[in-house]
Amino acid sequence: ELKVEQNPLFLSMQEGKNYTIYCNYSTTSDRLYWYRQDPGKSLESLFVLLSNGAVKQEGRLMASLDTKARLSTLHITAAVHDLSATYFCAVQARGSTLGRLYFGRGTQLTVWP
Amino acid sequence: EPEVTQTPSHQVTQMGQEVILRCVPISNHLYFYWYRQILGQKVEFLVSFYNNEISEKSEIFDDQFSVERPDGSNFTLKIRSTKLEDSAMYFCASRYGGEGEKLFFGSGTQLSVL
Repeated sequence: ELKVEQNPLFLSMQEGKNYTIYCNYSTTSDRLYWYRQDPGKSLESLFVLLSNGAVKQEGRLMASLDTKARLSTLHITAAVHDLSATYFCAVQARGSTLGRLYFGRGTQLTVWP
Repeated sequence: EPEVTQTPSHQVTQMGQEVILRCVPISNHLYFYWYRQILGQKVEFLVSFYNNEISEKSEIFDDQFSVERPDGSNFTLKIRSTKLEDSAMYFCASRYGGEGEKLFFGSGTQLSVL
């Protein structure tokens, strides 16, 4: 089974600081997703990364994908309180049904003043 | 933005009872999914559904589970005889069908089996 490891699982950071969340996966994939989840809410799609070297940015978040290293990163720039949430990466294994995703355990991010 | 709607938001049931979780996917979407998240654990794939049939299911999705799209708008997950370990948040998801598309998730149904 495809394994997806995220680290850190818990991240507490001060407003204005930068940090990176890492997502490693165990088998060949060329589709990687990042989701955000607020407590009691749905999973909100942030990024879909489709190819090696893909980089996408939205506001203070930037995601990248290195398929050779089987690694994706979610970089947070100048964090603000509104970014506090749980962030999940999810991987689609090559050859599996589109939409069958394997999720990491999530990174619970808390941004404090 | 269009959204996936799930009802109820919370469901409490007794062990051994049948439950039906309901979802209304985004109206022009063609692919439908159920995922679940046991408290403190990963989000796990249960089943995918396209063209009125199951396209893939996980090992979790045993004979106690079934899915149906009864009327062209609703998508349901039935658990025939619930067990304590079925307690989880169940998410419905849908997508239109293109490459690289987002998968849109509903807000979930929290199922508690007593």
